[in-house]
Amino acid sequence: RKEVEQDPGPFNVPEGATVAFNCTYSNSASQSFFWYRQDCRKEPKLLMSVYSSGNEDGRFTAQLNRASQYISLLIRDSKLSDSATYLCVVNPTDSWGKLQFGAGTQVVVTP
Amino acid sequence: DTAVSQTPKYLVTQMGNDKSIKCEQNLGHDTMYWYKQDSKKFLKIMFSYNNKELIINETVPNRFSPKSPDKAHLNLHINSLELGDSAVYFCASRLGLAVNNEQFFGPGTRLTVL
Repeated sequence: RKEVEQDPGPFNVPEGATVAFNCTYSNSASQSFFWYRQDCRKEPKLLMSVYSSGNEDGRFTAQLNRASQYISLLIRDSKLSDSATYLCVVNPTDSWGKLQFGAGTQVVVTP
Repeated sequence: DTAVSQTPKYLVTQMGNDKSIKCEQNLGHDTMYWYKQDSKKFLKIMFSYNNKELIINETVPNRFSPKSPDKAHLNLHINSLELGDSAVYFCASRLGLAVNNEQFFGPGTRLTVL
């Protein structure tokens, strides 16, 4: 079983719609969680950290469910510029900074 | 100013050659990484240095050798290049090993081995 699993998609989303997807992780000792965004042929960039109580940043909402070991990302009012691959990233305790990356969920926002 | 930079951006070379990729960060971070992203888009960690000391050394062929001359630089040397080495190599840096520290990635080096 992979350490971090994501639905690869693609999720085809009409502009203005809402899209949500999850990521599951296997290490229950994981301490911190992130969503990164990667555009085609570009480097990953931090979208947002995920806090235990859930957090929102504009149109983006991240949730953490420790009991079921998953995190989620919801994008409201999707824009064309939201088209990208979203990487789920998990940082286990005592991992010497070895982040665990999911393979990414591709989102395609269409006009 | 670019936070994490890599050179070259593109590298096309023949099988069997030896090549190096350089990485520099101007963020004052203590920790640096090398990742490989293959055609399946999965990011795999290769190495990590913290304060110039190797702390993560994943199962990669010993043809790959990292070198950190100082905290701001982490270079990757690859000997006897093989077709399977073709991938995008990303350097990243992080303030330190605290769990909430964000990683900043360089723009990537797209290596093609012919």
